[in-house]
Amino acid sequence: QVRLVQSGAEVKKPGASVKVSCRTSGYTFTGNYVHWVREAPGQGLEWMGWINPKSGGTNFAQKFQGRVTLTRDTSINTAYMEVKRLRSDDTAVYYCARSYFDFAFGFDYWGQGTLVTVSS
Amino acid sequence: DIQLTQSPSSLSASVGDRVTITCRASQNINRYIHWYQVKRGQAPKLLIYAASSLQSGVPSRFRGSGSGTDFTLTINSLQPDDFATYYCQQSYTTPLFTFGGGTKVDMK
Repeated sequence: QVRLVQSGAEVKKPGASVKVSCRTSGYTFTGNYVHWVREAPGQGLEWMGWINPKSGGTNFAQKFQGRVTLTRDTSINTAYMEVKRLRSDDTAVYYCARSYFDFAFGFDYWGQGTLVTVSS
Repeated sequence: DIQLTQSPSSLSASVGDRVTITCRASQNINRYIHWYQVKRGQAPKLLIYAASSLQSGVPSRFRGSGSGTDFTLTINSLQPDDFATYYCQQSYTTPLFTFGGGTKVDMK
């Protein structure tokens, strides 16, 4: 079955970086986009960006460009999200999610979420 | 940028009620709208894709409708498991995506 399993919770200080992993299984990793979505306390879902695991190509919401990096390792079917220069308002649960290359089908499988807490 | 406005932002309902949530797009997005259910401590769950297609495994009491700028998620005969927050999402402006602000459904 399709599974996306994320790395564990992180606590970081402002200005630091965090890297979250999303290990996938049960499907062809290079056959689907991997998206990253976050949910801050009291806020809604916010789409951050996606990576095409086949090509390595990425796309980001404007507010995350330059501060978020998406990478992948096709040998272990894992996607990564790194956020630099963390601020307190980056405290959130971060999710990875899968979509088909045809974006008409939504995000059908999600990771369990990774809580990132930014605090001095 | 396309904005998605959900209404209401919250509602109270009882088991057995019919619940209707609307999502309005700031411009025509055809049928590129999807609906998700989010419960505390759980990953979002895709309910409806492409405005009205039921995701596999989702109960048939969930129904999506609409096209263009106005969309609706209806839950027929609300069940105890349905108390959650619901979000719409557009994928018309790919490669970029947007979520609505969410609608919290709680118990009356």
